[in-house]
Amino acid sequence: QSALTQPASVSGSPGQSITISCTGTSSDIGGYDYVSWYQQHPGKGPKLMIYDVSYRPSGVSNRFSGSKSGNTASLTISGLQAEDEADYYCSSYTNNRGVVFGGGTKLTVL
Amino acid sequence: EMQLVQSGAEVKKPGESLKISCKGSGYNFTSYWIGWVRQMPGKGLEWMGIIYPDDSHTRYSPSFQGQVTISADKSISTAYLQWSSLKASDTAMYYCARHSLSGYAYWGQGTLVIVSS
Repeated sequence: QSALTQPASVSGSPGQSITISCTGTSSDIGGYDYVSWYQQHPGKGPKLMIYDVSYRPSGVSNRFSGSKSGNTASLTISGLQAEDEADYYCSSYTNNRGVVFGGGTKLTVL
Repeated sequence: EMQLVQSGAEVKKPGESLKISCKGSGYNFTSYWIGWVRQMPGKGLEWMGIIYPDDSHTRYSPSFQGQVTISADKSISTAYLQWSSLKASDTAMYYCARHSLSGYAYWGQGTLVIVSS
């Protein structure tokens, strides 16, 4: 199972919106609505930000939103804040009953 | 409060064996799969596999099949990840998490494994 494809880095200024893409195949993202997104700050563990493509866990800011079209999922962060600077990973359930992560995207808040 | 608490950091030599643990509390441990995730230094997350503690049914990523063993002891609400012969390339942070198709909402704090001669 190959890793999902994410851009290595994205950047934006405070207050702006950014979108991180995550491309897979019909065997993972395209086949199931089980896409999740994680935020990881340096030296910390991953934190679930989006589950089931577009749902936010309790306590996650509504500035974070998720969507999916075909084999590509997206995470959008609106009203960028300095604290959003982190690595972001997408993940999907796969047709071999496992899970696959994306390679990760480093978000820089300028 | 639901928690997954992992064992402490390990420094081992190549060829040595190792078993790290992940103890669950605050929920019915036998009712949820536990997953293991590797993060090599400066790299991304990699899904290794999962175990269902109630019957110890396992599922591995093809990349990790045969390289590690995932096990569990439901009597003490603990899952394990073990190696029979460590390599330098096993140096990484290893996380356990409560597995769900929807995503991993609960994570252990991570166990750092360093393999060096």
